[in-house]
Amino acid sequence: EPEVTQTPSHQVTQMGQEVILRCVPISNHLYFYWYRQILGQKVEFLVSFYNNEISEKSEIFDDQFSVERPDGSNFTLKIRSTKLEDSAMYFCASSYVHEQYFGPGTRLTVT
Amino acid sequence: QQQVKQSPQSLIVQKGGIPIINCAYENTAFDYFPWYQQFPGKGPALLIAIRPDVSEKKEGRFTISFNKSAKQFSLHIMDSQPGDSATYFCAAKSDDYKLSFGAGTTVTVRA
Repeated sequence: EPEVTQTPSHQVTQMGQEVILRCVPISNHLYFYWYRQILGQKVEFLVSFYNNEISEKSEIFDDQFSVERPDGSNFTLKIRSTKLEDSAMYFCASSYVHEQYFGPGTRLTVT
Repeated sequence: QQQVKQSPQSLIVQKGGIPIINCAYENTAFDYFPWYQQFPGKGPALLIAIRPDVSEKKEGRFTISFNKSAKQFSLHIMDSQPGDSATYFCAAKSDDYKLSFGAGTTVTVRA
């Protein structure tokens, strides 16, 4: 069964450093998303991406964040200058239309 | 702005019992209501979903009940098993494709 994959599973970085989180969505899906989940809290929407451009973004997704689909398979989230409060699980998801399937997540720890 | 309210925060049932999780929403533009199951350290897994033109949907031991006039929907887990112990999130989607999640309910099924 096709699934969303994410790398790395855990990323530790120092405050102020840039990180890139990578995702491979399900191959025939059209919509791509990033969500985050701070430990013990609910899942929060960050950004959606369709037809090679951002279709929607939340207030969390400020100028420090960017997304890219550099080729036909990968979907990346870049955080330019990480802050302590960026520590969270980051989930990539994809959908053909409505049903969004989530990856296993990348745990980002900012020290 | 909390668009989807979920209750209870946690519940404990005996094996074979029927945990019931409730969600309420305000945005009448929501047109798709999925439930996700999440185990510790894993990504949310799509469990079952419903559209607002249907009042009930069953998949295996999981049932969604939907009350459009009350703007409420609920998840019932029939004949619950210890393996169902997880955190369950309701969510809602409007035509912008982003999911708004509830706060989550931790379900514990005791053997």
